[in-house]
Amino acid sequence: SQQGEEDPQALSIQEGENATMNCSYKTSINTLQWYRQNSGRGLVHLILIRSNEREKHSGRLRVTLDTSKKSSSLLITASRAADTASYFCATGNSNTGKLIFGQGTTLQVKP
Amino acid sequence: GEEVAQTPKHLVRGEGQKAKLYCAPIKGHSYVFWYQQVLKNEFKFLISFQNENVFDETGMPKERFSAKCLPNSPCSLEIQATKLEDSAVYFCASSQSRSRATNEKLFFGSGTQLSVL
Repeated sequence: SQQGEEDPQALSIQEGENATMNCSYKTSINTLQWYRQNSGRGLVHLILIRSNEREKHSGRLRVTLDTSKKSSSLLITASRAADTASYFCATGNSNTGKLIFGQGTTLQVKP
Repeated sequence: GEEVAQTPKHLVRGEGQKAKLYCAPIKGHSYVFWYQQVLKNEFKFLISFQNENVFDETGMPKERFSAKCLPNSPCSLEIQATKLEDSAVYFCASSQSRSRATNEKLFFGSGTQLSVL
């Protein structure tokens, strides 16, 4: 079964506000990644954090990882209408040959 | 190429017909993954390849689904005797990983929308 659980399922904010999405998982991981999917398109990689890292930044994105709680969060600061999309976390484990995706958070940023 | 190319973009099949989907990974990428997305929800892992070898096939419904990645050919995912429940978008992704497939980011294609009527 898919192990990523994302929270919230849907989020609606105003342009300029920050958006926070959370992801929980069940088994041990080597990496956790976040992807974005615009409507009708494939996934685009945003950021990867390894199990020995606690926080990572990329532009307006900030990802945290708490392996003791088996959870991660994605923060998008100063959101823009163009950030409107679905966001998925994905976990990787060196014992398997796959990334396991969560169910995603749908973010709507209103102009 | 510099992007993962999936063909066709759309495929319509009657129930019981065969469906074949193709994926050309990014040149130089050694790992290929297939995922199924139903109704814009979660991505269900189907199978992964390391070059032409099956790497992980734990997600494949073995009775009707098969996949190949042969040298100098696009990878393929074939569904024999399609069912209504196979209607979904099928995504292919590739990875350049030199160590483990799951340690690096995946590059996704735009998907094939399969509609089974």
